[in-house]
Amino acid sequence: AQSVAQPEDQVNVAEGNPLTVKCTYSVSGNPYLFWYVQYPNRGLQFLLKYITGDNLVKGSYGFEAEFNKSQTSFHLKKPSALVSDSALYFCAVRVIPGGSYIPTFGRGTSLIVHP
Amino acid sequence: KAGVTQTPRYLIKTRGQQVTLSCSPISGHRSVSWYQQTPGQGLQFLFEYFSETQRNKGNFPGRFSGRQFSNSRSEMNVSTLELGDSALYLCASSFDMNTEAFFGQGTRLTVV
Repeated sequence: AQSVAQPEDQVNVAEGNPLTVKCTYSVSGNPYLFWYVQYPNRGLQFLLKYITGDNLVKGSYGFEAEFNKSQTSFHLKKPSALVSDSALYFCAVRVIPGGSYIPTFGRGTSLIVHP
Repeated sequence: KAGVTQTPRYLIKTRGQQVTLSCSPISGHRSVSWYQQTPGQGLQFLFEYFSETQRNKGNFPGRFSGRQFSNSRSEMNVSTLELGDSALYLCASSFDMNTEAFFGQGTRLTVV
């Protein structure tokens, strides 16, 4: 069975500092990896994805993530945090092709950016 | 381009009743999936439909069911509601099952 772990329930960072939100996964096969962000009382918004190719993926709002196959990680990063980045972040994995594996989400990491 | 639309946004139901939630995907998207989000369990996958066929199903009891229509719109139904069914139900659409999902704002269901 596949799984996703977000080891930190909450990450605190000062505005202007770099941020990292961690994600590790366990799958059988080649993973498709995603990051989503959820603002209060809203649905999830897609940030970025890794399918294949370059291990460094760039996404919306200045976020990027690095796929590390040997460490089975897909950490989300941003060079300079903004207060408006404060939200709940979800990592998700899916094994493709075949569509026989359900999408699996991590439990979410609350990012708090302090002014 | 209109986003994913879920109706209603809020619902209050009594234990034992049933409820139907609706989801209109982004135009052109053929895959619709449903999730239950609670503070304790996080985001749990319910089921996924593609071209009117259920392709994947999460670990939920048979009281939870869904369907997809020919225009890709989807509904999910929960029968014999329990207090534990209180949650935010999210619908997501994608062009196909391999691409990123776009989520609606959700339906907040409260069972009393």
